[in-house]
Amino acid sequence: EAGVAQSPRYKIIEKRQSVAFWCNPISGHATLYWYQQILGQGPKLLIQFQNNGVVDDSQLPKDRFSAERLKGVDSTLKIQPAKLEDSAVYLCASSRSTTSGSWYEQYFGPGTRLTVT
Amino acid sequence: DQQVKQNSPSLSVQEGRISILNCDYTNSMFDYFLWYKKYPAEGPTFLISISSIKDKNEDGRFTVFLNKSAKHLSLHIVPSQPGDSAVYFCAALVDKLIFGTGTRLQVFP
Repeated sequence: EAGVAQSPRYKIIEKRQSVAFWCNPISGHATLYWYQQILGQGPKLLIQFQNNGVVDDSQLPKDRFSAERLKGVDSTLKIQPAKLEDSAVYLCASSRSTTSGSWYEQYFGPGTRLTVT
Repeated sequence: DQQVKQNSPSLSVQEGRISILNCDYTNSMFDYFLWYKKYPAEGPTFLISISSIKDKNEDGRFTVFLNKSAKHLSLHIVPSQPGDSAVYFCAALVDKLIFGTGTRLQVFP
C-alpha cells in the first residue's frame, strides 16, 4: 500500500510571496488532514476534510491560508502572502472512513519544509 | 493551553534495557491516545494506540499503559534497540488529534 505523498519536500520563499503544497492520501482514505509543525513543537491541525467537505478549519488562518480537496482525493494547501512565522513543516495525513475499524489512526506523509526569509 | 504534555524533552537508554516515555493530559474527554515515532526528515509514523476504556495495550516490544485517574499514559519499549532512536509524540483524540511536544529517545550500544 502506497503511503501519503507530498510535494515539494522543501521550499524557500521570501515573505509576502505565495506558495502551494500538494498532497495525495492513501488510496481509499476518506479523511485528509493538514498539519503545521513548528520547530520544537508537535503537529497542530490546520484543516480536516471528510471526502471533499471541510470538517474542521478552526485553526486555519483564513486571511492567508486556503485549502481545497477537489474530487475528494488529493489536496492543495496555499499560503498567500507568507509571513516569517509560517516557517514550519507542513504535514499531510489521511485516515480511513469513520465507519471503519481503527478510523482514528492517521498516516502521515513526509512533509514539506517551508522556510520564509 | 497545552492539553497534552511530554515533560521530558529527551531520554537516553542503553540497548537491551527498557525505555519508558511519559505523557500527561488535562482533558478527561479524550477518546483515544496514540503514540507516533518520527525520524528526521520523515513524517510521524503510527506506533500504537489505546482506547480510553482500556488500561493497557501491547504490540510486540511496545506497550502503552493508561492511568485515567492520574491522566497519565506511558509507552514502554522492551528491549530497546538502536533503531528505536527517534522522537516520540504522544497524541490524544476527541474531535481532533492534539499532540505533545515530543521526547527524543536515544538508544546507545
